Amino acid sequence: NAGVTQTPKFQVLKTGQSMTLQCAQDMNHNSMYWYRQDPGMGLRLIYYSASEGTTDKGEVPNGYNVSRLNKREFSLRLESAAPSQTSVYFCASSPTTGGNSGYTFGSGTRLTVV
Amino acid sequence: AQRVTQPEKLLSVFKGAPVELKCNYSYSGSPELFWYVQYSRQRLQLLLRHISRESIKGFTADLNKGETSFHLKKPFAQEEDSAMYYCASNSGYALNFGKGTSLLVTP
Repeated sequence: NAGVTQTPKFQVLKTGQSMTLQCAQDMNHNSMYWYRQDPGMGLRLIYYSASEGTTDKGEVPNGYNVSRLNKREFSLRLESAAPSQTSVYFCASSPTTGGNSGYTFGSGTRLTVV
Repeated sequence: AQRVTQPEKLLSVFKGAPVELKCNYSYSGSPELFWYVQYSRQRLQLLLRHISRESIKGFTADLNKGETSFHLKKPFAQEEDSAMYYCASNSGYALNFGKGTSLLVTP
C-alpha cells in the first residue's frame, strides 16, 4: 500500500507565486490533515477535514486554502506565497476524526519561498 | 485548550544509558496521548499510544494523571534511536503536538 502520498517533495517559489500541494491516501480514511513543521515550533495544524465534504481551520490557517476533492484527496493551496510560509508541510490521514487510531503521515513537502 | 509540553529541545545520552523524554499535558478529563518518532528526513511514525500500553522498540510510556505526564522511557538507548520525538494529545478533532525533543545517542 502506498499509504499517504504527497507531491511535490520539494518546491522553491518566489514571493507572490501560488501553488497547490497535493495529498492522496488509499486507506479509505475519513479524516485528513495538513500540518506545517518548523524548527522549534513542532507541528502546527493548518486545516483539517473530518470527513469528505467538510473542511475546518486549524491553528495557523492564514494564507492557506484547502479542498477535500473526494475521500482520497486533500489539497493545500498557497495563493500568494510569503517567506514566512517556508516550511515542511505534512499531510496525514486517520480512520476517525481526532486521530485516536493514529495518523498515517505523508513524506512531506519541503517548500522554500524566496 | 489542550496543550502538550516537551521541556527538552535536545537530549543527548550515551549508548546503553537509560533515556527519558518528558511530556506534560494540560487536559481536564481522560486524555488520549501518543508518541510519534521522526527519523532523519523521514515521515513521522506512530511509536506508542497510551491506550494500547504496548512496548515498541523497547520504549514504554506510562500515563501519570496526578503529574499530568506521559514520559517516554527506554532502559538502554541504541544509536538507531537517534531521532526527533513528538508527544501528542487528541483535541477532539485533531492531534496537538508538542514542539519535539531531538534525541541524540552517541557511542
